[in-house]
Amino acid sequence: EIVLTQSPGTLSLSPGERATLSCRASQSVRGTSFAWYQQKPGRAPRLLIYDASSRATGIPDRFSASGSGTDFTLTITRLEPEDFAVYYCQQYGSSPAYSFGQGTKLEMK
Amino acid sequence: EVQLVQSGAELKKPGESLKISCKASGYNFITYWIGWVRQMPGKGLEWMGAVQPGNSDTRYSPSFQGQVTISADRSISTAYLQWNSLRASDTGIYYCVRFQIAVGWLKYWGQGSLVTVSS
Repeated sequence: EIVLTQSPGTLSLSPGERATLSCRASQSVRGTSFAWYQQKPGRAPRLLIYDASSRATGIPDRFSASGSGTDFTLTITRLEPEDFAVYYCQQYGSSPAYSFGQGTKLEMK
Repeated sequence: EVQLVQSGAELKKPGESLKISCKASGYNFITYWIGWVRQMPGKGLEWMGAVQPGNSDTRYSPSFQGQVTISADRSISTAYLQWNSLRASDTGIYYCVRFQIAVGWLKYWGQGSLVTVSS
């Protein structure tokens, strides 16, 4: 089973700043089988990024992602107030034995 | 429009059994897998396992193998997550998700079912 470790656990930033979230896999993820999700309190997670770097439908272009192998990054340029939430990474290379990271909380400074 | 509508909140006692449901609509139920994701109170997302409703192929995460049963009834486009004997540690929100085996990103989620196990 692939274990995903996200860092940092909490990120404190102000609106307008740039956020960089990381996710490291315990072993190489097959291809670009990697996704990022945003979750707000009381809501189901929302798909942001799939295939490591493709934005899902309706996701603003201030969200971008990259990575391959064991290291993946989600970047949010120019933070908006609605971006403060918890973010999860997910690998789906070893289908259907998927796994999630433990989450990064993006909080407003 | 793809929709996954889950059953409501449950309050159960330790040792009791439970089966929660996820009714799918807006697509051909047998052409996608349905997975289940647990979120314990204040914690992250955990992949539990999944079922292919077309042939009932079922796969479990090692952490949940033997602890739960995942199934589906294609005649009513509904997937299930079942416990035979609940424990307090089963308390959490359970989400169903739709995905294709070859493209495992999770675009469609149910609204979540809150399960509380308390004596």
